[in-house]
Amino acid sequence: DQQVKQNSPSLSVQEGRISILNCDYTNSMFDYFLWYKKYPAEGPTFLISISSIKDKNEDGRFTVFLNKSAKHLSLHIVPSQPGDSAVYFCAASEGAGGGADGLTFGKGTHLIIQP
Amino acid sequence: GAVVSQHPSRVICKSGTSVKIECRSLDFQATTMFWYRQFPKQSLMLMATSNEGSKATYEQGVEKDKFLINHASLTLSTLTVTSAHPEDSSFYICSARGPGLNYGYTFGSGTRLTVV
Repeated sequence: DQQVKQNSPSLSVQEGRISILNCDYTNSMFDYFLWYKKYPAEGPTFLISISSIKDKNEDGRFTVFLNKSAKHLSLHIVPSQPGDSAVYFCAASEGAGGGADGLTFGKGTHLIIQP
Repeated sequence: GAVVSQHPSRVICKSGTSVKIECRSLDFQATTMFWYRQFPKQSLMLMATSNEGSKATYEQGVEKDKFLINHASLTLSTLTVTSAHPEDSSFYICSARGPGLNYGYTFGSGTRLTVV
């Protein structure tokens, strides 16, 4: 049973527009959420995270929104750039980000930015 | 920022042999590191949690005798795939948490293991 779900395997967005990647989770014990960007045969690169005590966190072009009641989070990238094309993974942890717990990952969404 | 180095990046081995993968935290101490495995076009699956100075904690379904983990120091964890078989071919990635709550989990660059 998948506890972190990314239901869109791929997403195509025009350059300059907003990219919205969605993630749903089922485990109510998750309290720390992260987004990673990944290229083939490379390790994931950390983008942004959010604690369950917040509903929004922003870092440059990246904003993560968390809706705890809906068990849903989303990553907004604006404006989208060609270099943003990659696979994006949503991940969650039970440890409030304390570092002692491994992450549970979604299956990823392949974002394609079209010129 | 926190840097995690993983070596080798790619390895090909014969069936029945063992392969060791190293994961080092370069500029911070990590009492806990994590090992993941990724199959093609699939998610990263947590295999085990590596604890410095004690036994690793394995996720359900992961054979501890096949995937030996040693966390000998605060900056080094190793994963040894013993008696490798073709079905062990996969992408293995380690991770550690940088210092402070604002640090995300930093990942190594991964190791592509091919067992022939």
